[in-house]
Amino acid sequence: SSELTQDPAVSVALGQTVRITCQGDSLRSYYASWYQQKPGQAPVLVIYGKNNRPSGIPDRFSGSSSGNTASLTITGAQAEDEADYYCNSRDSSGNHRVFGTGTKVTVL
Amino acid sequence: EVQLVESGGGLVQPGGSLRLSCSASGFTFSSYAMHWVRQAPGKGLEYVSAISSNGGSTYYADSVKGRFTISRDNSKNTLYLQMSSLRAEDTAVYYCITSGSYYGPFDYWGQGTLVTVSS
Repeated sequence: SSELTQDPAVSVALGQTVRITCQGDSLRSYYASWYQQKPGQAPVLVIYGKNNRPSGIPDRFSGSSSGNTASLTITGAQAEDEADYYCNSRDSSGNHRVFGTGTKVTVL
Repeated sequence: EVQLVESGGGLVQPGGSLRLSCSASGFTFSSYAMHWVRQAPGKGLEYVSAISSNGGSTYYADSVKGRFTISRDNSKNTLYLQMSSLRAEDTAVYYCITSGSYYGPFDYWGQGTLVTVSS
């Protein structure tokens, strides 16, 4: 079982804000990175580190962390943001990597 | 432009072997750690294996340890995953991924290659 837990699914109205969370003990020590995956496509990095966006990622995507929880926030969700989102960080040993269980985001 | 192109996937019988390759271009391959991540049909992402930029450090998930071997040829800009004693649960799309450092974020992903283990 994954050491990083995410809600299986969340929904958001078009233009509204949605927060996706990732919980795990290792997040008290390490940042998470976040990946967006649309059907039939490879995942894409959207947030890494404290709150960094790769080139080309819209600024409506932001990241934060508190205690054992990392969060990805989409402010003003668009139809094209409908996708699966995965967090990734180190495991409890700190030596290896692990993915979260994934969250399916539906934009209504 | 960074490109990662996986190849070598296909149908293999349980207990069989397969070698995946990932051809890299558009960046200095020898400076980047490389990873394999897989995704079973309809399932989430699973971190499988990693190798440091010079090949000196490797990692394997418990689910593949002792059966899979990761390697790289920096002169050919190519990453490999040798898979043996394959099981039905190894059926997945296998992605090749770069990161700027061993624990850095996964910057670029290939499109994946499908491995199907079935009799």
